[in-house]
Amino acid sequence: AQKITQTQPGMFVQEKEAVTLDCTYDTSDPSYGLFWYKQPSSGEMIFLIYQGSYDQQNATEGRYSLNFQKARKSANLVISASQLGDSAMYFCAMSANFGNEKLTFGTGTRLTIIP
Amino acid sequence: SAVISQKPSRDICQRGTSLTIQCQVDSQVTMMFWYRQQPGQSLTLIATANQGSEATYESGFVIDKFPISRPNLTFSTLTVSNMSPEDSSIYLCSVLTKHPYEQYFGPGTRLTVT
Repeated sequence: AQKITQTQPGMFVQEKEAVTLDCTYDTSDPSYGLFWYKQPSSGEMIFLIYQGSYDQQNATEGRYSLNFQKARKSANLVISASQLGDSAMYFCAMSANFGNEKLTFGTGTRLTIIP
Repeated sequence: SAVISQKPSRDICQRGTSLTIQCQVDSQVTMMFWYRQQPGQSLTLIATANQGSEATYESGFVIDKFPISRPNLTFSTLTVSNMSPEDSSIYLCSVLTKHPYEQYFGPGTRLTVT
């Protein structure tokens, strides 16, 4: 069974600062994928970034990077130079078979950017 | 990426009725999923929609309550049957594209049951 834990229910960050959203996971599957999604108040789920369990380098997508620490089973999302539009719910998720299976989600972190 | 549409975007329904939600993708996809997000909660998988065969349901979800169809590789429907206020949620379809490791979501259907 897979489990995702997000321990920060809410965060407040000053605009233009960097922010780290925590995510830890548990799985017995050696081949898995880790995902981050953003959910604005509109309700849509926006794919942000993906990390495979055998990827040697941390994934990056524009202002988003994933700090992957495999031994610690940690997959934190880092947002650089935060913007007001980054205010949203953020969900960490994982999937077996390098991400080619159903997703298991964490409880989410509500991020609020303060001007 | 994949462009996914859902109909309806929102609805208010009476207890005891049924609602069918449609999910349309602009390209053929390998897998389609249906998730439920109850108010203030995370996403929970209802079922995997299999093309040409019965859907695979997760624990706690049954076909009589959530019948699913997937007649081809770009379209699926989810029906919420005999609704109660506890069914008030956002229902989202997602797809796994042929580009591996990319799972995209539709815009969701906000359902309120009164």
